[in-house]
Amino acid sequence: AQKVTQAQTEISVVEKEDVTLDCVYETRDTTYYLFWYKQPPSGELVFLIRRNSFDEQNEISGRYSWNFQKSTSSFNFTITASQVVDSAVYFCALSEEYSNYQLIWGAGTKLIIKP
Amino acid sequence: GAGVSQSPRYKVAKRGQDVALRCDPISGHVSLFWYQQALGQGPEFLTYFQNEAQLDKSGLPSDRFFAERPEGSVSTLKIQRTQQEDSAVYLCASSERQGSYNSPLHFGNGTRLTVT
Repeated sequence: AQKVTQAQTEISVVEKEDVTLDCVYETRDTTYYLFWYKQPPSGELVFLIRRNSFDEQNEISGRYSWNFQKSTSSFNFTITASQVVDSAVYFCALSEEYSNYQLIWGAGTKLIIKP
Repeated sequence: GAGVSQSPRYKVAKRGQDVALRCDPISGHVSLFWYQQALGQGPEFLTYFQNEAQLDKSGLPSDRFFAERPEGSVSTLKIQRTQQEDSAVYLCASSERQGSYNSPLHFGNGTRLTVT
């Protein structure tokens, strides 16, 4: 069974629009971590955020914000006022307590920001 | 500052050849991971080192794959008798502490392996 689902394969928006990338996860653990990583065309995965399962506060970092909802097992990522440099593949990932070194990755969402 | 360095950046191998992929993690990082990423997919776990100890190699797809980190720093992923299905990007990541949720993973740019 898919543990991390990113249903949006590709999203294309015009610059300055807001865009939300969805992530739904599945776990039986009560202690777990969720992550978002960005993979620009250069290929290097860049860490964006880590959220533990006990902290449901939403987080904002500049134009980026994250909405963690345990009730729906979702950890969505919103980019406000998108820019061309935001174009990349974005991955959501899950790390469960019993397996503290394995990240379970979603398939990624390719985000295209058109000028 | 120095990040995770992988070499070569690109590798073309004929089917049946052996290849060796190198990873230079960030100095002092305890954990080192190898991932395989197929086109359009997320990374798939291959193996994990804590210092020089290979704690998990459950993701290695066959006994043709072998990884080592003899001195707890540089790591090499070796693939023997390469097959076309081995074509992928091989990513190396390191983190400051043990595991992948205690501290963020820092990734290299990857090695794109093409087997012809």
